[in-house]
Amino acid sequence: EAAVTQSPRNKVAVTGGKVTLSCNQTNNHNNMYWYRQDTGHGLRLIHYSYGAGSTEKGDIPDGYKASRPSQENFSLILELATPSQTSVYFCASGGGTGTGQLYFGEGSKLTVL
Amino acid sequence: GEQVEQRPPHLSVREGDSAFIICTYTDSATAYFYWYKQEPGAGLQLLMSVFSNVDRKEEQGLTVLLNKKDKRLSLNLTAAHPGDSAVYFCAVSGPNTNKVVFGTGTRLQVLP
Repeated sequence: EAAVTQSPRNKVAVTGGKVTLSCNQTNNHNNMYWYRQDTGHGLRLIHYSYGAGSTEKGDIPDGYKASRPSQENFSLILELATPSQTSVYFCASGGGTGTGQLYFGEGSKLTVL
Repeated sequence: GEQVEQRPPHLSVREGDSAFIICTYTDSATAYFYWYKQEPGAGLQLLMSVFSNVDRKEEQGLTVLLNKKDKRLSLNLTAAHPGDSAVYFCAVSGPNTNKVVFGTGTRLQVLP
């Protein structure tokens, strides 16, 4: 069974603080993704990666950085968190173009006060 | 870039009725089409995927229709039951990219 695990599952941060959301996959997939989910917007792509060492900007990258140090791990970094970044963040992995399925983690709920 | 619109945002049906969700996309080169289901407090799980050379696909009470001319993708749940209550998302991707773009979601409630 494909497995994507995210940590932390819940995080409360202060405005201006640094937040790191971590994602680990055991699927040996090349592609990994970070989305945020907000009511009325569905899932919006923040950053994605084709493999270790690569990161690509998605549709809403401003205020976020990403890091892919290995095949298994993909992190999302908020250097200076703002209340507008309060959201639920999902990590996903996928095998590649046209392979269909993305495997999602269970989400990380971030609240920035 | 690709834009995906999904409607309705909320849908309530009685058990045994059909539920119909529609998405439109903008990029005529879009090649891969997906429907995902999200249950409360969980990530998304793939329901069905179709390639652009398929107009209709049926699986286990679900029917996906693809109209490439109108750039429209639909999902029909026949004989819905309370366990189908969830948020449903369409998603699309192009032929030469790993970028997957999602619709805004439809919250389906199936009433007993």
